[in-house]
Amino acid sequence: QKEVEQNSGPLSVPEGAIASLNCTYSDRGSQSFFWYRQYSGKSPELIMSIYSNGDKEDGRFTAQLNKASQYVSLLIRDSQPSDSATYLCAAKRINNFNKFYFGSGTKLNVKP
Amino acid sequence: DAGVIQSPRHEVTEMGQEVTLRCKPISGHNSLFWYRQTMMRGLELLIYFNNNVPIDDSGMPEDRFSAKMPNASFSTLKIQPSEPRDSAVYFCASSLPQRENEQFFGPGTRLTVL
Repeated sequence: QKEVEQNSGPLSVPEGAIASLNCTYSDRGSQSFFWYRQYSGKSPELIMSIYSNGDKEDGRFTAQLNKASQYVSLLIRDSQPSDSATYLCAAKRINNFNKFYFGSGTKLNVKP
Repeated sequence: DAGVIQSPRHEVTEMGQEVTLRCKPISGHNSLFWYRQTMMRGLELLIYFNNNVPIDDSGMPEDRFSAKMPNASFSTLKIQPSEPRDSAVYFCASSLPQRENEQFFGPGTRLTVL
């Protein structure tokens, strides 16, 4: 079992809709969670981090964390074609220095 | 500010050859990470350095892989001998002191081993 699991997609949503991306993790010791966006042929870039249960909002992005269910999600409101990319979920274990475990990513297509 | 710099951007080599990938982290960043990304395995951490010292190399797949960081502004990842299964995109990332959660990735090196 991988440390972090994501549905590979593709997830297709129409422009203006809400895109919901999900991720589960296996290690209950994980304390920090991150969402990276990766455009095709480019490098990952950090868009959200979340450390506590609940929601964290940043512009059109909302990260949600439920440690009891070992579940992390990313909501993108008012999706734009420019949001089309692969979204990587990552978890970091407590007391494990800087070792991130990445999921394989979910490809999002936002159709105009 | 210049971001993380990696070279070469593309490398095509034959099985058995030595490959050296290079990385220059962002100035002032004291943590450096080497990742490998493939379709099958996703993004995997190979090794990371803090203040030029290797902290965790448990992700290095085998002895054919080695990494060095002789100073704060330069790191290399070497594969000797290379094999076709090493074909992947190799990313280098760096982060600031006390902000290790925010890693800045370089553009990557796409390695193809024939």
